[in-house]
Amino acid sequence: QVQLQESGPGLVKPSQTLSLTCTVSGGSISSGSYYWSWIRQPAGKGLEWIGRIYTSGSTNYNPSLKSRVTISVDTSKNQFSLKLSSVTAADTAVYYCARADLYGSGGVFDYWGQGTLVTVSS
Amino acid sequence: DIQMTQSPSSLSASVGDRVTITCQASQDISNYLNWYQQKPGKAPKLLIYDASNLETGVPSRFSGSGSGTDFTFTISSLQPEDIATYYCQQYDNLPRTFGQGTKVEIK
Repeated sequence: QVQLQESGPGLVKPSQTLSLTCTVSGGSISSGSYYWSWIRQPAGKGLEWIGRIYTSGSTNYNPSLKSRVTISVDTSKNQFSLKLSSVTAADTAVYYCARADLYGSGGVFDYWGQGTLVTVSS
Repeated sequence: DIQMTQSPSSLSASVGDRVTITCQASQDISNYLNWYQQKPGKAPKLLIYDASNLETGVPSRFSGSGSGTDFTFTISSLQPEDIATYYCQQYDNLPRTFGQGTKVEIK
């Protein structure tokens, strides 16, 4: 059974860079063909797809965040990571990592992490 | 971006009632639509993919239909454990986009 677990600082200062890691267990992040995504949800609001990285390392980002987002993968640690630069209070949200397989061009999120709250505040 | 519009934003129904949620896409997305259930403090859970396919292990009281721009999600007989917020999500194009959610409560 695949499991995903987010980790990282719960508090980030404005203008700094938010950094989160998603650790995948129950399977190798580099085996099979999967897309690994980050999705966020401000308190009481809906879900926003941030971006994804494919097993090969290629990435796609939401244009609304593209200039500030970097997603990378560390296959040796079975992890993928999110960096979001120049954060503001509007970036305060629960951040989820999620997996999608090749079916549906990586658009069906079948496994999710539990989510981690990141607050942007001085 | 493809905009996904759900209605209603919330609803209250009795146990055993049939519940229907609609989702409209801003352009034709064929059947590239998923439905998720999110309980408070939890991650979303995939219920329906390809507009009408039930994910393994999901109770058969959940169903989905539609194609193109108009989609429907139905709970045939509402149970207390179905209290949650439900989201549609398109995967025809990038970026992936979600509806704003429908909160389902027990009357």
